[in-house]
Amino acid sequence: EPEVTQTPSHQVTQMGQEVILRCVPISNHLYFYWYRQILGQKVEFLVSFYNNEISEKSEIFDDQFSVERPDGSNFTLKIRSTKLEDSAMYFCASSEWGTSGGTDTQYFGPGTRLTVL
Amino acid sequence: DAKTTQPTSMDCAEGRAANLPCNHSTISGNEYVYWYRQIHSQGPQYIIHGLKNNETNEMASLIITEDRKSSTLILPHATLRDTAVYYCIVRSTSGTYKYIFGTGTRLKVLA
Repeated sequence: EPEVTQTPSHQVTQMGQEVILRCVPISNHLYFYWYRQILGQKVEFLVSFYNNEISEKSEIFDDQFSVERPDGSNFTLKIRSTKLEDSAMYFCASSEWGTSGGTDTQYFGPGTRLTVL
Repeated sequence: DAKTTQPTSMDCAEGRAANLPCNHSTISGNEYVYWYRQIHSQGPQYIIHGLKNNETNEMASLIITEDRKSSTLILPHATLRDTAVYYCIVRSTSGTYKYIFGTGTRLKVLA
């Protein structure tokens, strides 16, 4: 069964450093997402991406964040200068777009645990 | 997107049916109900979704009331591996495609 994969599973970085989190969405999916979950808190939407551009972003997704689809398979989230409060689980998700009935089920990856020291 | 209300936690005996309720009284006509679960800190796992008819798949059944203001996820024979946080999410078929997660129901299946 196709699945979303994410690397690395755990990333430790120093405050102020840049990190890139990588995701490989399901191959025929067209819509991509990033969510994050701070320990003990809700899963929060960060950004959605379609046709090589951002479709929607949340207030969390400020200028320190960027997303890119550098090739036909990878989808990345970059945090330019990490802060302590960026420590969280980051989940990538993907979905088919325009499926019949208008539903758009998102399939999530296993997540990357980011620890900022 | 309509807001949802779920009980904070529930227990269920192994082998019994787990019935997880969700209230979505402000749901609109074009909004689907999705259910996901999260085991520990793993990625949310899709379970089932529906619009107004009851739905069943290999994992669960979804019962939506006629007025669509509430729904129930049924795990017919709960196992210890079903211990997780279950999220009910209501999302429109138009406009934004993001999910808004609540706090969910923490289901504990007891041996």
